[in-house]
Amino acid sequence: ETGVTQTPRHLVMGMTNKKSLKCEQHLGHNAMYWYKQSAKKPLELMFVYSLEERVENNSVPSRFSPECPNSSHLFLHLHTLQPEDSALYLCASSQDLHSGGYNEQFFGPGTRLTVL
Amino acid sequence: GEDVEQSLFLSVREGDSSVINCTYTDSSSTYLYWYKQEPGAGLQLLTYIFSNMDMKQDQRLTVLLNKKDKHLSLRIADTQTGDSAIYFCAERAPFGNEKLTFGTGTRLTIIP
Repeated sequence: ETGVTQTPRHLVMGMTNKKSLKCEQHLGHNAMYWYKQSAKKPLELMFVYSLEERVENNSVPSRFSPECPNSSHLFLHLHTLQPEDSALYLCASSQDLHSGGYNEQFFGPGTRLTVL
Repeated sequence: GEDVEQSLFLSVREGDSSVINCTYTDSSSTYLYWYKQEPGAGLQLLTYIFSNMDMKQDQRLTVLLNKKDKHLSLRIADTQTGDSAIYFCAERAPFGNEKLTFGTGTRLTIIP
């Protein structure tokens, strides 16, 4: 596989469930990101990892818990979510967090999450 | 704080030019980007412009940057049905805190 992959592509869960989203990048990048995409709202940065270390947490509720076991994998663990958390969750990676160039971010296709 | 604004929708006839506009607030942005999201896919970088430039052209795409007004635009010439997508404007904070701030995205619909 090439690029950035995400699984599952679709997820329906109840408010009491625990589930995890998985992201894998095959690009040899050092930085990985979680974004939330909701209708009619700006794309929202949730977490940033650089070399497996979390460097940014944008005031995200604790019911979202990221994990980066190595530079190729990123997880988002979900627990007791609310219906308003329903959205498309996008993972992205870039060569490095800090770069002198334009530092393109490469996105996965996203996981469409529905919380009932 | 940073804020990036775009219109939510734009409809254009096939063959016409599309112009998607964006305003941003951070005057110290280093790079500004246009990303394209096709149905069922993630975002893909379409083009970018460095903040010391005011225009960039790449085939059918023209990016205009007005730093004084903090206004960025993307012009797509000879719009085709394959251009139907959501277009996101994004700005990049200065070196040392290089996160991207995205807008809401503009959904471009092509009318046959």
